[in-house]
Amino acid sequence: QSALTQPASVSGSPGQSITISCTGTSSDVGGYNYVSWYQQHPGKAPKLMIYEVSNRPSGVPDRFSGSKSGNTASLTISGLQAEDEADYYCSSYTSSSTLRVFGGGTKLTVL
Amino acid sequence: EVQLVESGGGLVKPGGSLRLSCAASGFTFSSYSMNWVRQAPGKGLEWVSSISSSSSYIYYADSVKGRFTISRDNAKNSLYLQMNSLRAEDTAVYYCARDDGLTNCNDYWGQGTLVTVSS
Repeated sequence: QSALTQPASVSGSPGQSITISCTGTSSDVGGYNYVSWYQQHPGKAPKLMIYEVSNRPSGVPDRFSGSKSGNTASLTISGLQAEDEADYYCSSYTSSSTLRVFGGGTKLTVL
Repeated sequence: EVQLVESGGGLVKPGGSLRLSCAASGFTFSSYSMNWVRQAPGKGLEWVSSISSSSSYIYYADSVKGRFTISRDNAKNSLYLQMNSLRAEDTAVYYCARDDGLTNCNDYWGQGTLVTVSS
C-alpha cells in the first residue's frame, strides 16, 4: 500500500479540466510544502511537472497547476489535450526515516 | 544538458547480487543529492534510497534496508546501488534521479535499467 493515496483513474474530454488528489498525513503532505507531481508516459521515465506544491519547472505548460489544503494536495490540468494522457504520481518529503514517499499513481484518460 | 544513464540491470536468481550504476553528466554532480527510485512491472513508483552530495547522509526504504547499499564516486560522476539478497519482489525498472535539495523533488531522471529476479 502506497504512503500517499491517489485515485486509480480519472478521465476528461479535450478542453476540459480535471483534478487529481493526493492524500497523506501531517508527517508528509500536510506538514511540508514539498509536494511534487510527475507525469509518466508508457515506457518512459517520469517527468517533473510541479514542485513545492504549486511551482512549475521551465517548459511545463501553465495548464498544469498544483495546490494543497491540509493533508491533501491536488494537481489540476486545464484545457486537456490528447498528449496529457499519462500516469501521474504525487510525491512528498516525509519526516519519517524514509525521507520521500510516492502516491500509487493515477491514470489519466483523455476521451 | 543534464543526462543520467543507468546500467547494470539484468536477470539474477533469488538470493543473488547485482550492482547498478548511474553515469551523470551536464551538471556539477558533487553538488547534488541523488536518489534511486524503482517501478515494478505495471506498478507505481517506489522511492528506494537517497544519498547526499558528500555521502554524509544516506536513507533507505524499509523494503530494502539491510540488503541494498547506495554509494557515489564524485570524481567519476557516478552513483551506485549494490543490491544483495535479491527477492522476486525486487523485480523492477530502477531509475536514477537527481534530487533538487532545495525543493525536495526529483528534477531529472534517467531512462532506467530493468532488474529481473527469477529462478
